[in-house]
Amino acid sequence: DTGVSQDPRHKITKRGQNVTFRCDPISEHNRLYWYRQTLGQGPEFLTYFQNEAQLEKSRLLSDRFSAERPKGSFSTLEIQRTEQGDSAMYLCASSLGTGTGVSPLHFGNGTRLTVT
Amino acid sequence: AQRVTQPEKLLSVFKGAPVELKCNYSYSGSPELFWYVQYSRQRLQLLLRHISRESIKGFTADLNKGETSFHLKKPFAQEEDSAMYYCALSGRDDYKLSFGAGTTVTVRA
Repeated sequence: DTGVSQDPRHKITKRGQNVTFRCDPISEHNRLYWYRQTLGQGPEFLTYFQNEAQLEKSRLLSDRFSAERPKGSFSTLEIQRTEQGDSAMYLCASSLGTGTGVSPLHFGNGTRLTVT
Repeated sequence: AQRVTQPEKLLSVFKGAPVELKCNYSYSGSPELFWYVQYSRQRLQLLLRHISRESIKGFTADLNKGETSFHLKKPFAQEEDSAMYYCALSGRDDYKLSFGAGTTVTVRA
């Protein structure tokens, strides 16, 4: 499968701990997105990279969240001092974008985070 | 601000019956609309986008700017159409998608 890969698939952590998720996009894709999805809701935008540059971050995103995409390849999403409200499915998506406007997003299987 | 509303959480239809999933949006500029689908145990994937004006798996969707709607339709539902469907919106000069809450479709034999 040469699609978007996310690791781990599941993560259970205690409140207050830090967690880090990894996303490997489709290799030629220059755009990478992180979304969060809670039960009964659609994916909610968190942040967006074009190559290695983080171009947009949701205003709803706490300072405890940080994302990186070194060298414009894989990306990591870190959550510091996790809270129970952080429990969700974290989705990564990538696309091949040229010019303005959104290109079709290719999603990974997600990382399900449970904070106890 | 942009907003996508899918008023139906659940939709159940019989095989062979028509199915219509409603999507309404709020956006001040020129929108681009999409439908994404997630089948059981699979990842979220693009079903269709309005600028393509194509039919995918028998589904069509027409952008109605007057009613700010992008409803998804299929004349004869099949059991394999059972899935979660998400309507999504992006601005012409934007790079991200805003998703609705989704509609779960169950097609019964």
